[in-house]
Amino acid sequence: AQRVTQPEKLLSVFKGAPVELKCNYSYSGSPELFWYVQYSRQRLQLLLRHISRESIKGFTADLNKGETSFHLKKPFAQEEDSAMYYCALTPGGYQKVTFGTGTKLQVIP
Amino acid sequence: DAGVIQSPRHEVTEMGQEVTLRCKPISGHDYLFWYRQTMMRGLELLIYFNNNVPIDDSGMPEDRFSAKMPNASFSTLKIQPSEPRDSAVYFCASSFAGGHGNEQFFGPGTRLTVL
Repeated sequence: AQRVTQPEKLLSVFKGAPVELKCNYSYSGSPELFWYVQYSRQRLQLLLRHISRESIKGFTADLNKGETSFHLKKPFAQEEDSAMYYCALTPGGYQKVTFGTGTKLQVIP
Repeated sequence: DAGVIQSPRHEVTEMGQEVTLRCKPISGHDYLFWYRQTMMRGLELLIYFNNNVPIDDSGMPEDRFSAKMPNASFSTLKIQPSEPRDSAVYFCASSFAGGHGNEQFFGPGTRLTVL
């Protein structure tokens, strides 16, 4: 069975500081990894997916199969980045998604 | 498109009462998911449907929970009888098999409080 671990419930950083939200997973096959974000009073929405290798709102995430990690990074945090972030995994080709427990990012002005 | 629609947005009830949560997925989506969000456990998948058929209900916590999808545009999650520990935010999400990377589209959620 697949599992997603986000070790930090809360991460506080100052504006302009680098951000790294940690995500580790366990799955024996080739998974697809995602980051979802939930801003205050907004719906949970997809931020980025590893297969796209894209940068969204300055965030990037690299899939490291050796360390089974998919950490979310941004070089300079902005106040508007404050939100709840969920790492998620799905077995390739399947619709069922397993979410981590989430990390609340708080950017201090 | 209004996206995934959920009702009610807030529900306050007393222990022992029946609670019914409703969801309308995005038109054309063939997968529908019910999640529960709590501070302690994060986002948990309760059940999901494909083409109105339940595929995996292993996340449904107890027999008090049941879900139905009578047609492609409507689903319900029922709790009977409700208990205080059921208090949480319940999300409905939908997706379609032809989409990119299994992206799920979430509704606004229903905040349930059981007194």
